[in-house]
Amino acid sequence: GDSVTQMEGPVTLSEEAFLTINCTYTATGYPSLFWYVQYPGEGLQLLLKATKADDKGSNKGFEATYRKETTSFHLEKGSVQVSDSAVYFCALSDAGGTSYGKLTFGQGTILTVHP
Amino acid sequence: DAGITQSPRHKVTETGTPVTLRCHQTENHRYMYWYRQDPGHGLRLIHYSYGVKDTDKGEVSDGYSVSRSKTEDFLLTLESATSSQTSVYFCAISQGASQETQYFGPGTRLLVL
Repeated sequence: GDSVTQMEGPVTLSEEAFLTINCTYTATGYPSLFWYVQYPGEGLQLLLKATKADDKGSNKGFEATYRKETTSFHLEKGSVQVSDSAVYFCALSDAGGTSYGKLTFGQGTILTVHP
Repeated sequence: DAGITQSPRHKVTETGTPVTLRCHQTENHRYMYWYRQDPGHGLRLIHYSYGVKDTDKGEVSDGYSVSRSKTEDFLLTLESATSSQTSVYFCAISQGASQETQYFGPGTRLLVL
């Protein structure tokens, strides 16, 4: 079945540092890939997405590129802020498969940014 | 904001009691989903619906049932709550040509004593 693996956390950075959170996936079809962010005490918000190979999703300074050859969708940001402290989830949707719209999530990576 | 509300937002209940969580959406989305969130597991799909009275099981459906009698409401019922069902429950809707993008409600925090 489909699966998503994220780098182990937590990740602790100083403000303005470079961020990478690794995400790799296994899927039988042609999935869409997502990054969601969850701020403390809140629900999940869609951060960015990519629907086909070589697409780059971007939002709020975050970027991720859909790499089919390495089955990866790593999240990057050039300069993190304290306000980026949150839990980040990588997910895939095999919407073209039998489970219409079903999302498979990674376990989440906690990011803490210090001033 | 996809116009999703969940109620209640917090609930404490005792083992063996029935519990119903409500998800309400205002934008006529066809697909709706219930997930639970637990540390180390990300979010896992419990049940989903692809229309009024049309529902299907997810990967962790044991102990849960759902109903959808109106487009705007998707109910999740724990027939007899157990401590293992202590979790945060999220409702979601999907959008996109293939329903590939999901948007989430604010969540319900459930504690079963």
